[in-house]
Amino acid sequence: QVQLQESGPGLVKPSQTLSLTCTVSGGSISSGGYYWSWIRQHPGKGLEWIGYIYYSGSTYYNPSLKSRVTISVDTSKNQFSLKLSSVTAADTAVYYCARGSGSPNYYDYWGQGTLVTVSS
Amino acid sequence: DIVMTQTPLSLSVTPGQPASISCKSSQSLLHSDGKTYLYWYLQKPGQSPQLLIYEVSSRFSGVPDRFSGSGSGTDFTLKISRVEAEDVGVYYCMQGIHLPPGTFGQGTRLEIK
Repeated sequence: QVQLQESGPGLVKPSQTLSLTCTVSGGSISSGGYYWSWIRQHPGKGLEWIGYIYYSGSTYYNPSLKSRVTISVDTSKNQFSLKLSSVTAADTAVYYCARGSGSPNYYDYWGQGTLVTVSS
Repeated sequence: DIVMTQTPLSLSVTPGQPASISCKSSQSLLHSDGKTYLYWYLQKPGQSPQLLIYEVSSRFSGVPDRFSGSGSGTDFTLKISRVEAEDVGVYYCMQGIHLPPGTFGQGTRLEIK
């Protein structure tokens, strides 16, 4: 069964860049067919899709975050990463990595999530 | 943009009793390929969302058969035939027809009486 695990700093200062990595096990990113995604959830709120990457490196970002988001993939490590620049307190959230399936049409496997707090 | 609206936003159910959650989309989720791209997730306390139902009515791997989904077009329902304590959490519907997927309903909180 596919498993995903987020890692990265839990505290980021305002105006700096948030960086997270998702390590995938139980399946290979380079085998294709899936879209490796980042989704976040503000405290007590709903879910917001951030973006995804295909193993080839093709990306698609949420238009509301596009100017600040970069998602990259390292197939040799079976990892993909998120960078969100110029963060503010509004970026404080639990960040999840997930596998997108279909075109993608849905997310079938999710990481446990990691809380990132933006504060000085 | 598609808007997903869930009702009720919360419900309290006695163990062993049924529960039902409605989800309405602002646009049809029926694709020209014949599939309807509506999904249900459960987020248990302190956990990430887990997929319950895909394409309206198909249960994901390992999901108990007390969970069932139905509906078409813009109106959908998730039913739990007999609620158990482990079913506590927030239920979300999500549309997958307009790519990329990421439009979720507001969530319905299920608690046990």
